[in-house]
Amino acid sequence: QQQVKQSPQSLIVQKGGISIINCAYENTAFDYFPWYQQFPGKGPALLIAIRPDVSEKKEGRFTISFNKSAKQFSLHIMDSQPGDSATYFCAARRDDKIIFGKGTRLHILP
Amino acid sequence: SAVISQKPSRDICQRGTSLTIQCQVDSQVTMMFWYRQQPGQSLTLIATANQGSEATYESGFVIDKFPISRPNLTFSTLTVSNMSPEDSSIYLCSVGKANTEAFFGQGTRLTVV
Repeated sequence: QQQVKQSPQSLIVQKGGISIINCAYENTAFDYFPWYQQFPGKGPALLIAIRPDVSEKKEGRFTISFNKSAKQFSLHIMDSQPGDSATYFCAARRDDKIIFGKGTRLHILP
Repeated sequence: SAVISQKPSRDICQRGTSLTIQCQVDSQVTMMFWYRQQPGQSLTLIATANQGSEATYESGFVIDKFPISRPNLTFSTLTVSNMSPEDSSIYLCSVGKANTEAFFGQGTRLTVV
């Protein structure tokens, strides 16, 4: 059973556009929702994270929107740049264990 | 944050052999975890490395196949035993402190031939 569902699997966005990646979860025991960015050949790097008592968090061009009642959260990348092209993973934490979504391959067209 | 060093960064191994991967952290951490990332896939938690006691394995992973050691709060090893081509993956060490973010090493890219 997949605990964190992520969509879309892949995404192509024009430079300057908005990239949106969505995730949903079932387990209400999750207490922390990070997003990771991974470039080929590298380990995942923490991008931004949110706790369930907050509805939105913004860091530069990256924003997480969190809907606790719907058990959904999303990552918005504003003014997307070619350097943002990477795989993005949403995740959820419970008991200090991180459970990952399947990932979204984002490609920003120059 | 934490700086995590993993060794080796990559290896090509013969089937039937074993490989031990090392994870060194630059500070003491409460939690250490081992993940597997199969080609083009997401990360799957293998086990939690417990300091001073046996590791806690997730469903589908067993100690005989993936023995783990954690002698202190800054170091852990994962051994991939009796390897087959299906074990070809990236293996990642992750560390976390209570109520803080988790950090990942660069991973060990393993190819079994």
